Amino acid sequence: GAGVSQSPRYKVAKRGQDVALRCDPISGHVSLFWYQQALGQGPEFLTYFQNEAQLDKSGLPSDRFFAERPEGSVSTLKIQRTQQEDSAVYLCASSLDGQGSGYTFGSGTRLTVV
Amino acid sequence: AQKVTQAQTEISVVEKEDVTLDCVYETRDTTYYLFWYKQPPSGELVFLIRRNSFDEQNEISGRYSWNFQKSTSSFNFTITASQVVDSAVYFCALSETTYNQGGKLIFGQGTELSVKP
Repeated sequence: GAGVSQSPRYKVAKRGQDVALRCDPISGHVSLFWYQQALGQGPEFLTYFQNEAQLDKSGLPSDRFFAERPEGSVSTLKIQRTQQEDSAVYLCASSLDGQGSGYTFGSGTRLTVV
Repeated sequence: AQKVTQAQTEISVVEKEDVTLDCVYETRDTTYYLFWYKQPPSGELVFLIRRNSFDEQNEISGRYSWNFQKSTSSFNFTITASQVVDSAVYFCALSETTYNQGGKLIFGQGTELSVKP
């Protein structure tokens, strides 16, 4: 597609519920990133894929967070047993080669845990 | 450790004023990239500029200009003759080029710019 598409745009989850956030990167982009942006803060790195390989997951805050990209294109970020501190905007970005060639961000999914 | 500091949390100016947004970074790498992004109220991050660590030339794009100084680890952003449409949160970011990190971005906390008519 022309840009990075994320869905849903908004998600309200009850505490303890599992959620899945989807990212459709730009076609042909090798690298895919997930970031978490809390209110009033800068985005923080969660995880990175190169094609289907998850090369860096050092930013995932707990084992309740899981990301996958099984065919090297669409990626899903799953959060199990959501907690209020998970409330944030989750941003996906893709890049042609991940070596500083430029990142395109999606509009994000705003997750609110109540 | 890598770090980006944007000391100005909020800036308010009147239209047509010039404004400079400060960015200071820390990294041990000799090869890295610096970025500025704009985040309007709609939420998407809009790419403004990327600069690699070997290119210290200042850059001008219309009303926007960037001053990169390795000696002070700063990458400041100036908007000349600001307009109401410039109102947004601006983020400075650092990326290293380690292969398995894929060039992940380290963001500053952001500076919220408000341009009043």
